[in-house]
Amino acid sequence: QVQLQESGPGLVKPSETLSLTCTVSGGSINYYYWSWIRQPPGKRLEWMGYIDHSGKTNYSPPLKSRVTISLDTSKNQFSLKLNSVTAADTAVYYCARDWVFGVFDIWGPGTMVTVSS
Amino acid sequence: DIQMTQSPSSLSASIGDRVTINCRASQGISNYLAWYQQKPGKVPKLLIYSASTLQSGVPSRFSGSGSGTDFTLTISSLQPEDVATYYCQKYNSAPWTFGQGTKVEIK
Repeated sequence: QVQLQESGPGLVKPSETLSLTCTVSGGSINYYYWSWIRQPPGKRLEWMGYIDHSGKTNYSPPLKSRVTISLDTSKNQFSLKLNSVTAADTAVYYCARDWVFGVFDIWGPGTMVTVSS
Repeated sequence: DIQMTQSPSSLSASIGDRVTINCRASQGISNYLAWYQQKPGKVPKLLIYSASTLQSGVPSRFSGSGSGTDFTLTISSLQPEDVATYYCQKYNSAPWTFGQGTKVEIK
C-alpha cells in the first residue's frame, strides 16, 4: 500500500531555510494532491500547502510568502521549503495524501524540526 | 478564513460511556468536515469524512453528524484504546483548517 516518508535536517538555524522531502512508495505520485502539515509542540495541526500531479500549488495564507512546495515525479517525491525560519516554526512536519480533496487519508510518520542557533 | 472551534478542550469519561465532541465552523461548510484521531506520540488517523462517513476500518462505535456550522463526533462506548486527541477539519475550500483538538482521557 502507499506509504510516505519525510526526510531532512532536524535542526535549522534562525533566518535559514527549512527543506524537507517526502518520498511516496507503493503508488504513483501522479494522482491525488499532496500536502504538508505541521504541528508545533502541544498545538493544533496546521495545513501548510498542497501540490497536485501537474505542479499546481496552493499555500496557507499566513505562510504563503515563505513556503514553496515542488514535485519530482521521476523520484516520486515532493518537497517543502520554508524560508526565514524562526523558533515559531519548530514543529513536527508531516507529509500527507489528499485522498478526497482536502481529506488526508495517508500520513508520513512525521519529522521533528527544531529552529535554534 | 473560516475558523474551527472544538468543545470541550478536554474530557474524562469512564469505559463504556458515550462521549460527544463538538466542532463549530465560523461560517457554513455544508458537510465538508473530517475528524481525525491522534494518539499520544502518533500520527493523525482519519476517522470520518463528509461529516458522517466512516473511513474504512474504523470501529462502528465512532459516528459523526452535522451540517452547516455545527458538527458532532460521538463515541458510543468509550474504550481504553480511544484515549487520544480528536481534531475536526474543514475542507469546503482551501485553506484547510483544523480545530484546536479535544483530548479524551479515561476516568
